[in-house]
Amino acid sequence: DTAVSQTPKYLVTQMGNDKSIKCEQNLGHDTMYWYKQDSKKFLKIMFSYNNKELIINETVPNRFSPKSPDKAHLNLHINSLELGDSAVYFCASSPGVDTQYFGPGTRLTVL
Amino acid sequence: AQSVAQPEDQVNVAEGNPLTVKCTYSVSGNPYLFWYVQYPNRGLQFLLKYITGDNLVKGSYGFEAEFNKSQTSFHLKKPSALVSDSALYFCAVRDSGGYQKVTFGTGTKLQVIP
Repeated sequence: DTAVSQTPKYLVTQMGNDKSIKCEQNLGHDTMYWYKQDSKKFLKIMFSYNNKELIINETVPNRFSPKSPDKAHLNLHINSLELGDSAVYFCASSPGVDTQYFGPGTRLTVL
Repeated sequence: AQSVAQPEDQVNVAEGNPLTVKCTYSVSGNPYLFWYVQYPNRGLQFLLKYITGDNLVKGSYGFEAEFNKSQTSFHLKKPSALVSDSALYFCAVRDSGGYQKVTFGTGTKLQVIP
């Protein structure tokens, strides 16, 4: 009965590879987000979707592409991975623009 | 542009003592303010929020926060700290208008010493 789930939990890959992270929420929320948390624990929003529509797109390299097949899912695809992409990526959801519910995170390590 | 500042990277407090984690914000309109807590290797968890109404907001685990409009602050407090409160605390703000993003502070590590 996990509210916001992400897969995989850990992802170790080589530079230049393409990888995806999946997120699902069973809370019935309209809005979903992707955040990046760096090694200093700074949390930065990357994207936000509302009812499958992109509403926030921060200054993120276009190697990052979010996809929302339906309201309950928001996946993140990353092309040509770089060392600097190593971080913990969090998915979150919220009912509108209220309290956010975070997933457990995906720790991405690029070698 | 909106912003939030957490001036202390780390706060140390003895178990049983009161704790305060500071947060100041800047928005152009009315603020929506939030506190979240992150335990090691976990996602952020919601603690409390201020949208409107009473300036003193009570939240989970005995935490509370006071909204001070004149000082643009939203400090997190607890009367008696527990060792289990040790974690990373984030303040967050968004403007009340439309689909505005939430801006998170840089986080404050709270260390409660037994």
